[in-house]
Amino acid sequence: QKEVEQNSGPLSVPEGAIASLNCTYSDRGSQSFFWYRQYSGKSPELIMFIYSNGDKEDGRFTAQLNKASQYVSLLIRDSQPSDSATYLCAVIDSGGYQKVTFGIGTKLQVIP
Amino acid sequence: DTEVTQTPKHLVMGMTNKKSLKCEQHMGHRAMYWYKQKAKKPPELMFVYSYEKLSINESVPSRFSPECPNSSLLNLHLHALQPEDSALYLCASATSTGPSSYEQYFGPGTRLTVT
Repeated sequence: QKEVEQNSGPLSVPEGAIASLNCTYSDRGSQSFFWYRQYSGKSPELIMFIYSNGDKEDGRFTAQLNKASQYVSLLIRDSQPSDSATYLCAVIDSGGYQKVTFGIGTKLQVIP
Repeated sequence: DTEVTQTPKHLVMGMTNKKSLKCEQHMGHRAMYWYKQKAKKPPELMFVYSYEKLSINESVPSRFSPECPNSSLLNLHLHALQPEDSALYLCASATSTGPSSYEQYFGPGTRLTVT
């Protein structure tokens, strides 16, 4: 069973701080990694994707990937109350066929 | 158009009913997915269609029957469901080609309640 592990939280950070969300995965052959944001009662929204080792930045978001350690993270700079949501880490199965495994998600609370 | 639409938004059905969920996208995506999501749980993959052919069936009970009539449309036919099937049903699509092939875009979901 291929697994994607996340701390369910809640992770509480003050407004303006950096929120750091972490994810580990068991499938060493995985090549594609995604972060989705899901507000309560809504569907997941793709916010970041990363395929190569290192950092990828998009606005206030930075995704970090370390394939050797099987670790992917998401940093949110200048956190805003509107960032309060559940952040889902998703990994594409190395077997192909677009099979996606989601982590349980980390609930982020940004305190004004 | 970068939207995935799903109808209906809410559905209440009895255990003997037959109903269908509909998903549509006009982004030219060739991969479409059905997920089931229970409260406080991640989306759970049910089916994947790639180029209108079923490529993944995650051992879903036969009371759920997917159909992909064309590249823009995906249906999920429901029959003789159980109360434990109550959940948010999500449709997603992805390009299936190139470096963005696995980036999935989700519809708003159908909230299903089985009574």
